[in-house]
Amino acid sequence: GQQVMQIPQYQHVQEGEDFTTYCNSSTTLSNIQWYKQRPGGHPVFLIQLVKSGEVKKQKRLTFQFGEAKKNSSLHITATQTTDVGTYFCAGHSNYQLIWGAGTKLIIKP
Amino acid sequence: GAVVSQHPSRVICKSGTSVKIECRSLDFQATTMFWYRQFPKKSLMLMATSNEGSKATYEQGVEKDKFLINHASLTLSTLTVTSAHPEDSSFYICSARRAGGTGELFFGEGSRLTVL
Repeated sequence: GQQVMQIPQYQHVQEGEDFTTYCNSSTTLSNIQWYKQRPGGHPVFLIQLVKSGEVKKQKRLTFQFGEAKKNSSLHITATQTTDVGTYFCAGHSNYQLIWGAGTKLIIKP
Repeated sequence: GAVVSQHPSRVICKSGTSVKIECRSLDFQATTMFWYRQFPKKSLMLMATSNEGSKATYEQGVEKDKFLINHASLTLSTLTVTSAHPEDSSFYICSARRAGGTGELFFGEGSRLTVL
């Protein structure tokens, strides 16, 4: 079946270091969405990418959609404690929304 | 902005009883609502998709007779866990897609079910 693989499962960083999570789909996606779930909270929509090769920025967050529309990444520059949480990608394919497993961002004390 | 309210946030019940969880879109009409289950430190597991006025579409492995979903209006969907057992204890979350929107999902706060 259709799958979206998301890696890594966890990433431990020092505050101020960068963070990246990657999603790779087995099929071409019509669009991809990114969500953030804080510990104990519910997922919150961050952004949607639609165009091949699209790059969007939200302050320290950079989202990319691959040329083939099968992969995507989220990069956070200079992480802060407020960035802690799990980041999910979700890709639309054949009228289905397929979720990645999420990447948990952990800031080292 | 779009708000989805989920109730109750926490529920504890005895084994064998049924529990109903409500998901309401407060300021928009939701043509489609989704129900998920999330285990501790795990990803979201889509259980079913419900469209207003029609039967829910369940994901493979999800028992439709155990997890009854009703989407009676454009602002309300309910999930009833019937004859609950301890293994049904989990975090259940709903999301809604706004009619005429760009496709993003708005999530409820989630409901933590504990079955004793």
